[in-house]
Amino acid sequence: GESVGLHLPTLSVQEGDNSIINCAYSNSASDYFIWYKQESGKGPQFIIDIRSNMDKRQGQRVTVLLNKTVKHLSLQIAATQPGDSAVYFCAESNNNAGNMLTFGGGTRLMVKP
Amino acid sequence: DGGITQSPKYLFRKEGQNVTLSCEQNLNHDAMYWYRQDPGQGLRLIYYSQIVNDFQKGDIAEGYSVSREKKESFPLTVTSAQKNPTAFYLCASSMGQGASAFFGQGTRLTVV
Repeated sequence: GESVGLHLPTLSVQEGDNSIINCAYSNSASDYFIWYKQESGKGPQFIIDIRSNMDKRQGQRVTVLLNKTVKHLSLQIAATQPGDSAVYFCAESNNNAGNMLTFGGGTRLMVKP
Repeated sequence: DGGITQSPKYLFRKEGQNVTLSCEQNLNHDAMYWYRQDPGQGLRLIYYSQIVNDFQKGDIAEGYSVSREKKESFPLTVTSAQKNPTAFYLCASSMGQGASAFFGQGTRLTVV
């Protein structure tokens, strides 16, 4: 069935390096994508979103890239800090599903000092 | 402050009991959602509501029930029919179509 998934379950990076977290989706009707950060024992926090009419969007230290041709989404974190250590989820929705968010399995980012 | 509040933070249930998890939002959002998260796993949709007095089953609705009598509130009842209820439960709300969802801080339910 339609799904959103992630390539890597765990990513370990050195403090100060850039991080790239990837997400693959299979629903070609998906038109809205969100990245969330979840710290241990807490609810997910919104990081950045992107609509299907864009291929790149930048925030503070974060960039989301969308490649609709291969149905791939990535989150880039610049100058990764220890506070970035968390689980990152991508989520997608589309009008046909009534804006119901479908989440990927998550990637754990570990930042080494 | 505007936000979405879940209570309690921790909940213990005896086998065979029903328990209700509270979710309240003052963001004036139309849509509300309940997700279940197991350790080291992603989020699975239990129920969602696009508007007051209406709700739909998600992927894992069996053993759960909800109500949406008020826009601000979307309580989730975990019934005795749910065979493995121990999990972290997350409530979210959004403005609706094409909008991001905001999450509460979760309720950790443990069966004792």
